Amino acid sequence: EAQVTQNPRYLITVTGKKLTVTCSQNMNHEYMSWYRQDPGLGLRQIYYSMNVEVTDKGDVPEGYKVSRKEKRNFPLILESPSPNQTSLYFCASKKDLNTEAFFGQGTRLTVV
Amino acid sequence: GQQLNQSPQSMFIQEGEDVSMNCTSSSIFNTWLWYKQDPGEGPVLLIALYKAGELTSNGRLTAQFGITRKDSFLNISASIPSDVGIYFCAGQRGANSKLTFGKGITLSVRP
Repeated sequence: EAQVTQNPRYLITVTGKKLTVTCSQNMNHEYMSWYRQDPGLGLRQIYYSMNVEVTDKGDVPEGYKVSRKEKRNFPLILESPSPNQTSLYFCASKKDLNTEAFFGQGTRLTVV
Repeated sequence: GQQLNQSPQSMFIQEGEDVSMNCTSSSIFNTWLWYKQDPGEGPVLLIALYKAGELTSNGRLTAQFGITRKDSFLNISASIPSDVGIYFCAGQRGANSKLTFGKGITLSVRP
């Protein structure tokens, strides 16, 4: 089954403790991206990657890092999480820039 | 940055009613997409529109790509309880640009 898989689904952590949210897709898609969803703000893009070893900032990249060492994986790294990064995070992948995005099921992160 | 405007933030309708949602922008987009997000899930694509003026249906859903390329609408006919969720519009300007999302409309359907 074609899918985008995020882990974990839920995470509660403390301020400053580094964490990684993983994202994997099995569709051989080149384009992957991370979004955060906050009430009243919709989906905002954090980072995106157009291919292996090619990443770029989205609209709200501050406080986040990503890497794309392999085509299927696109982890989101929070080196020093802060409470304002409490949010619902979605990973998405696309075959190319002209096709629709497929989303993972989301990761709800709480930073206390 | 580019913004897509969706309003109102919430809509409440009676089961069986039709509902129409609009998405507007001050900028031109060359692709318009409509997504639905169920509670606890990621957004799922409903309809994709690639050509100005295009009218596309998917079951009880119909969406149109505005002639000006600055708007799109989604219509749901004969609503049912499982239509409840958040509906997002998204636009893409060109082949090398990212998707821009609206803030979403939360739809509630009263049985």
